[in-house]
Amino acid sequence: ETGVTQTPRHLVMGMTNKKSLKCEQHLGHNAMYWYKQSAKKPLELMFVYNFKEQTENNSVPSRFSPECPNSSHLFLHLHTLQPEDSALYLCASSQAGLAGTDTQYFGPGTRLTVL
Amino acid sequence: AQKVTQAQTEISVVEKEDVTLDCVYETRDTTYYLFWYKQPPSGELVFLIRRNSFDEQNEISGRYSWNFQKSTSSFNFTITASQVVDSAVYFCALSEARNQGGKLIFGQGTELSVKP
Repeated sequence: ETGVTQTPRHLVMGMTNKKSLKCEQHLGHNAMYWYKQSAKKPLELMFVYNFKEQTENNSVPSRFSPECPNSSHLFLHLHTLQPEDSALYLCASSQAGLAGTDTQYFGPGTRLTVL
Repeated sequence: AQKVTQAQTEISVVEKEDVTLDCVYETRDTTYYLFWYKQPPSGELVFLIRRNSFDEQNEISGRYSWNFQKSTSSFNFTITASQVVDSAVYFCALSEARNQGGKLIFGQGTELSVKP
């Protein structure tokens, strides 16, 4: 595997289900991100992890719970979602440096539908 | 405040035409980074270019070229001799150096449709 991978690619879940999205980066990066992309809206940053520590939570509802066990893996645990949470969820990684930002590389996304 | 504006929501061209996608940004930082990403129908955002605020040289990569002008806070993207495979949504993004961890602010995106 190369780059950033995400599984599953498509997910349909009911409002009472619990599911998890998985992201894995094979680039040796130390920062990982979750974004939400809804139809007709710009990408919204959800969470940022640097060296496995969460450094940003962009006012995301608690029904979304991230987990970063190591620098290569990132999960997004989903619980009691709402239909408006249906979106494309994108994971990205970068080599975060001291002097600012480095390029983020994205995975293919998980298309989530909440019924 | 940091903001990225892509005023063109949709553009439709015929193959072999040249097309320019506009991007205007706002930032109070003197050190910042600008990006362009391509999102084909498959969904993955593909990195195209990164520019830092101190490098105003225009860049050309094959059929792609970028015009960075600090005086007008613009970072426009031109595709020369467009092809059907260029059909995608293109995003311009901004990151400020003071944002440790690389927070990206995206524009709304421009959907480019290239017809044969």
